Amino acid sequence: AQSVTQLGSHVSVSEGALVLLRCNYSSSVPPYLFWYVQYPNQGLQLLLKYTSAATLVKGINGFEAEFKKSETSFHLTKPSAHMSDAAEYFCAVSETRAGGTSYGKLTFGQGTILTVHP
Amino acid sequence: SQTIHQWPATLVQPVGSPLSLECTVEGTSNPNLYWYRQAAGRGLQLLFYSVGIGQISSEVPQNLSASRPQDRQFILSSKKLLLSDSGFYLCAWSVRGYRTDTQYFGPGTRLTVL
Repeated sequence: AQSVTQLGSHVSVSEGALVLLRCNYSSSVPPYLFWYVQYPNQGLQLLLKYTSAATLVKGINGFEAEFKKSETSFHLTKPSAHMSDAAEYFCAVSETRAGGTSYGKLTFGQGTILTVHP
Repeated sequence: SQTIHQWPATLVQPVGSPLSLECTVEGTSNPNLYWYRQAAGRGLQLLFYSVGIGQISSEVPQNLSASRPQDRQFILSSKKLLLSDSGFYLCAWSVRGYRTDTQYFGPGTRLTVL
């Protein structure tokens, strides 16, 4: 079974500083990986996804993530934080069968709350 | 384009009362549909998913049930609410097919059971 670990339930940065949110996954088959963002009292919005093409994935709002198979990681970064980036971020891995087909289900990490200070 | 609706947006219910939350998707056919719950500080918990009309899989035993009476309609129900049912309920959909795992979420329903 797949699993996701997000290191750090809370991350705090200053406006303009680098944002780094960590995600490690476990999967016995090549994974599909996702980052979602959730603003207070809203649903989840897809930031970006890795689907076995380029290992560096660019998403919305200036975020990007790099798939590193050797480290089983998919960390999310943004060069310069903005106040509007304050939200909760979720990493997720798709569940797959051994043959590569999908159950259509995602396993989510516990989330990381990002706080941005002026 | 596809859109997903949930209602109501907020709900306050007494313990022991029934529940019905509705989710509808527009702009796509034969989607996979999902119900999640977020309790405070506990991440997302998958409650039910459906790959077709009348086809419901339950992920955890609980006080809730789900139904899919139409292709793009997903309903979450309870006969008698418990305090522990409080939380933020999210509906999501995905395209059915090989490795099409991206899920798109609705705006959510905040349920408070008193």
